[in-house]
Amino acid sequence: NAGVTQTPKFQVLKTGQSMTLQCAQDMNHEYMSWYRQDPGMGLRLIHYSVGAGITDQGEVPNGYNVSRSTTEDFPLRLLSAAPSQTSVYFCAISRGRGTEAFFGQGTRLTVV
Amino acid sequence: QQQVKQSPQSLIVQKGGISIINCAYENTAFDYFPWYQQFPGKGPALLIAIRPDVSEKKEGRFTISFNKSAKQFSLHIMDSQPGDSATYFCAANGGATNKLIFGTGTLLAVQP
Repeated sequence: NAGVTQTPKFQVLKTGQSMTLQCAQDMNHEYMSWYRQDPGMGLRLIHYSVGAGITDQGEVPNGYNVSRSTTEDFPLRLLSAAPSQTSVYFCAISRGRGTEAFFGQGTRLTVV
Repeated sequence: QQQVKQSPQSLIVQKGGISIINCAYENTAFDYFPWYQQFPGKGPALLIAIRPDVSEKKEGRFTISFNKSAKQFSLHIMDSQPGDSATYFCAANGGATNKLIFGTGTLLAVQP
C-alpha cells in the first residue's frame, strides 16, 4: 500500500519547457490536491479536485493546469515553466472535507 | 490574503521545555483545524486536529487549545524532545470551501 506516489522526485527544467508532475493514489480517496512549498510561504494550494471530472482553483493557480479523469490520478501540468515555479510540490489526498490529508514525498522542481 | 496566520516563524526550545505555536484565522465558517508535522525531505503528516465544539484536545505530549471567540488556536508540545525538531503547520478547512488552507509554518529546534 503505497498511499500517495509522486513522480519524479527531482526535476530540472529550462525556462519555457513544459512538464507534467504525476500523482497517483491507491487509497480510493475522493479529494486530491496540489500544493507548493516555498521558504517562508508555507504550503499554498494550487489546484484541487473533489472527484473524477471535478477540479477547482486554489490560492496560486496561475501557470498550472490540472485534470482528473480517474479517482487514482491527478497530474499537474506546467505549460511554460518559469523560474518563479521553482519549488517543492506536494500532492495530497483525503476522504473528504475535514478529514486527514495524506501527502506524497514531494517533487523538487528547479527552473533555470 | 492570508487566511491562516502562524507564529513564530522559528522557535528554539530546550529539551524538556514547552513549545508553543500560535495560529489565527479569519473565516468564521472554518470548522476543522489540524496541525501537521514535517521532517526534512518528507511530506507533512497529520499530528493532531480539533473541531470548534471543544476548547482543548490532547494526544500524548501534544495539545491543541482553541479559542473560538478570538479565532485563534495553538499547539503545545510538552516535554519537548530533540526528535520533535521539525516544521509544524497549522491549517483550517470548512464553510463553503473544500480547500485546506495552511499557515506559513514554524521551524522548531529542540536543543539537547
